[in-house]
Amino acid sequence: SYDVTQPPSVSVSPGQTATITCSGDKLGDKYVSWYQQRPGQSPLLVIYKDSKRPSGIPDRFSGSNSGNTATLTISGTQAMDEADYYCQAWDRTTVFGGGTKLTVL
Amino acid sequence: QVQLQESGPGLVKPSQTLSLTCAVSGGSISTSTYYWAWIRQPAGKGLEWIGRIYASGSTNYSPSLKSRVTISIDTSNNQFSLKMTSVTRADTAVYYCARDELDYDAFDLWGQGTMVVVSS
Repeated sequence: SYDVTQPPSVSVSPGQTATITCSGDKLGDKYVSWYQQRPGQSPLLVIYKDSKRPSGIPDRFSGSNSGNTATLTISGTQAMDEADYYCQAWDRTTVFGGGTKLTVL
Repeated sequence: QVQLQESGPGLVKPSQTLSLTCAVSGGSISTSTYYWAWIRQPAGKGLEWIGRIYASGSTNYSPSLKSRVTISIDTSNNQFSLKMTSVTRADTAVYYCARDELDYDAFDLWGQGTMVVVSS
């Protein structure tokens, strides 16, 4: 089965840029989505088709995908961005990464 | 504004069948650009896709759960359902229903989730 891997945790200072990666074999050949999940809440789609933002998602969220790695970038990180982030891809089945806890110090 | 709402028993005994329903309000479940999915999340852990269904009844399931899971759709009542047989404590989780937007290739709308505990 296909697997995607995320770092368990990432830390960033307020106002700085946070980078969260998602790795998988030839991941660049697939579409990747990213979800934000705050404690006690349902996941929220923040990036789809590698780099597109749904309506209402701030433009400080951006994404890219090439080779074996997809990346979620949060520019000018705010305290409210502290959450778990999950990548997701489709390879004959939907797969989620294990999640990355973003801490804004 | 479309909303999803899960419902079902919060407690299921081991070896029994877990049954959940997701009611779709504010829009039609028969819209051609959507699949309707179930996803679960054990406490403190990540997301696991269970499967999805199209309005036609076409389904896809996670290979690891396929033998125990059935997803069905009731277009007349605008809802879809999950049945999982032979549950164990490992099936204890928050269960989410979600809309799988085909144009996005992503889950763009989620229910609030319902906690299901498997315990005797």
